[in-house]
Amino acid sequence: QKEVEQNSGPLSVPEGAIASLNCTYSDRGSQSFFWYRQYSGKSPELIMFIYSNGDKEDGRFTAQLNKASQYVSLLIRDSQPSDSATYLCAVRSSGGYQKVTFGIGTKLQVIP
Amino acid sequence: DAMVIQNPRYQVTQFGKPVTLSCSQTLNHNVMYWYQQKSSQAPKLLFHYYDKDFNNEADTPDNFQSRRPNTSFCFLDIRSPGLGDAAMYLCATSRDTGVTEAFFGQGTRLTVV
Repeated sequence: QKEVEQNSGPLSVPEGAIASLNCTYSDRGSQSFFWYRQYSGKSPELIMFIYSNGDKEDGRFTAQLNKASQYVSLLIRDSQPSDSATYLCAVRSSGGYQKVTFGIGTKLQVIP
Repeated sequence: DAMVIQNPRYQVTQFGKPVTLSCSQTLNHNVMYWYQQKSSQAPKLLFHYYDKDFNNEADTPDNFQSRRPNTSFCFLDIRSPGLGDAAMYLCATSRDTGVTEAFFGQGTRLTVV
């Protein structure tokens, strides 16, 4: 089982719709979770982080965390073509020095 | 202003010829990471420094080495690059290894010919 799992996509949504990106993780003790956006050929850019169960909103982005289900998601409201990118889920593991492990990323395509 | 700076942005090296990638940061963060990312794959952690303490991932090949002469700078040395080492190399920093996010540099795209 991979430590951080994401559907690689592509996920296609029409402009203005809600894009829902999902991620599951294997380390039940993980404490912090991050969503990064990566445009083709560029480095990852942090969008949001979440530590507590529930929802966290920042503008058009909402991160959702359910530790019991080991599941974290990112919702993008009013999707724009400029949101088209790969979205990487990252999880900081428990124990040791708490390394950050990335999922493969979900490619999002917002269709005008 | 860029806070994590990687040089060069693009590097072409010959098969077997040692190459060094550099990373500098203005954030005064304790932790510096090196990730390798190949096309359509997740970034893979190679190693990291917590201050001067070096932590190597178990599956990082011996061909990859790192140096951190001071808080601001960290280097990735590839002693004998192979064709399979062609990738984007990402440097990241974080304030601590606790619940803090990592900030990435722009990456260095390495091509091996």
